[in-house]
Amino acid sequence: NFMLTQPHSVSESPGKTVTISCTGSSGSIASNYVQWYQQRPGSAPTTVIYEDNQRPSGVPDRFSGSIDRSSNSASLTISGLKTEDEADYYCQSYDSTNHPVFGGGTQLTVL
Amino acid sequence: EVQLVESGGGLVKPGGSLRLSCAASAFTFSSYRMTWVRQAPGKGLEWVSSISSGSHYIYYADSLQGRYTISRDNAKNSLYLQMNSLRVEDTAVYYCASLGGCIGGSCSPGYWGQGTLVTVSS
Repeated sequence: NFMLTQPHSVSESPGKTVTISCTGSSGSIASNYVQWYQQRPGSAPTTVIYEDNQRPSGVPDRFSGSIDRSSNSASLTISGLKTEDEADYYCQSYDSTNHPVFGGGTQLTVL
Repeated sequence: EVQLVESGGGLVKPGGSLRLSCAASAFTFSSYRMTWVRQAPGKGLEWVSSISSGSHYIYYADSLQGRYTISRDNAKNSLYLQMNSLRVEDTAVYYCASLGGCIGGSCSPGYWGQGTLVTVSS
């Protein structure tokens, strides 16, 4: 079964840059698009990156996504960290049968 | 602004049934593959079921063991999830979503509803 693995937690200071990884278990992570969702405490998820590196309207360009085929991983990078970025972040893609697959989520602390 | 509004959650006893609905607006609902995602208390996101834009393709998570049925009514811009033989472990917030990316010819930037809480308890 295709799985996506994320670090459980990351932390960084305001104004700095943080990168969250999402590693595919098998096959090529580049075979299907990767999305990133932000979930603030008590709220529903929202999309911050879709189709590997596209930002929905309204998402600041401090958020960027990329794919690294050599490590079979996707990354979400947030620059100029703000306290409002503190949230859980989930990567999501699809397996070979078109079933969505979510990573376990990464808790971002901005301290 | 796109809106996905879930309803139908509540408290139900083990073995009971519940039907969730999701009403879409400001959104070309009939063009999008739609998905139910759930989140148990304190846990991560778990895919439940997806349905293609024209209902031709339907997918379920193996863990559901045939207890759920997804459907949609494009004329009413609505998505449904019929949940039967509910178990305590089905307790979760259930989200209606058009997940991001392109899959099966359907592309979306990713839209989510606010969720509806299903509690299974005696």
